[in-house]
Amino acid sequence: DIQMTQSPSTLSASVGDRVTITCRASQSISSWLAWYQQKPGKAPKLLIYKASSLESGVPSRFSGSGSGTEFTLTISSLQPDDFATYYCQQYNSYWRTFGQGTKVEIK
Amino acid sequence: QVQLQESGPGLVKPSETLSLTCAVSGYSISSGYYWGWIRQPPGKGLEWIGSIYHSGSTYYNPSLKSRVTISVDTSKNQFSLKLSSVTAADTAVYYCARDTLDYGSGSCSFDYWGQGTLVTVSS
Repeated sequence: DIQMTQSPSTLSASVGDRVTITCRASQSISSWLAWYQQKPGKAPKLLIYKASSLESGVPSRFSGSGSGTEFTLTISSLQPDDFATYYCQQYNSYWRTFGQGTKVEIK
Repeated sequence: QVQLQESGPGLVKPSETLSLTCAVSGYSISSGYYWGWIRQPPGKGLEWIGSIYHSGSTYYNPSLKSRVTISVDTSKNQFSLKLSSVTAADTAVYYCARDTLDYGSGSCSFDYWGQGTLVTVSS
């Protein structure tokens, strides 16, 4: 099975900061990767699909990049609404796994 | 607007079978897409359980496959999850979601989610 390792697990940042979260796959997954945002008590929200495509309605300050085994989610200028937990999710051969999550906290 | 709503018992006894249903509105399941279940133990991360195509073909998380059955009822526009022989480790919020898996486009994400339902396994 493919393991997804997210880093960091917790990130402290201020409004306006540029934030980068990394997800590493244990083997190549091409561009079969998505990113989600989850707030307490709520369902995850899709942000990025196919590694770098922005989901409709998601602010353009969110961007995704990477392919193969290394992927990043970048928030260009952190806004108050962005404090949440972020998950990556991979797909390979009819198997999905999520990263362990990155909590973005207020500094 | 696509909407999904989970329903089912909030408390299940150990060794029994957990059963949940996801009602879909705003989109006909028969029109396409896979439909999936994902769970999240309290305070922990997300785990994909399995997905079903509108035709009824399924694929499951290998770690749960022996205990999971997902079915679809296109006449009621809903799909269901059964998880057998549950233990306390199966206590979680269970989400249903639309699965965009498509080899042609390279898509593999869950784009619409239900609000989630907490299922506690306890005697």
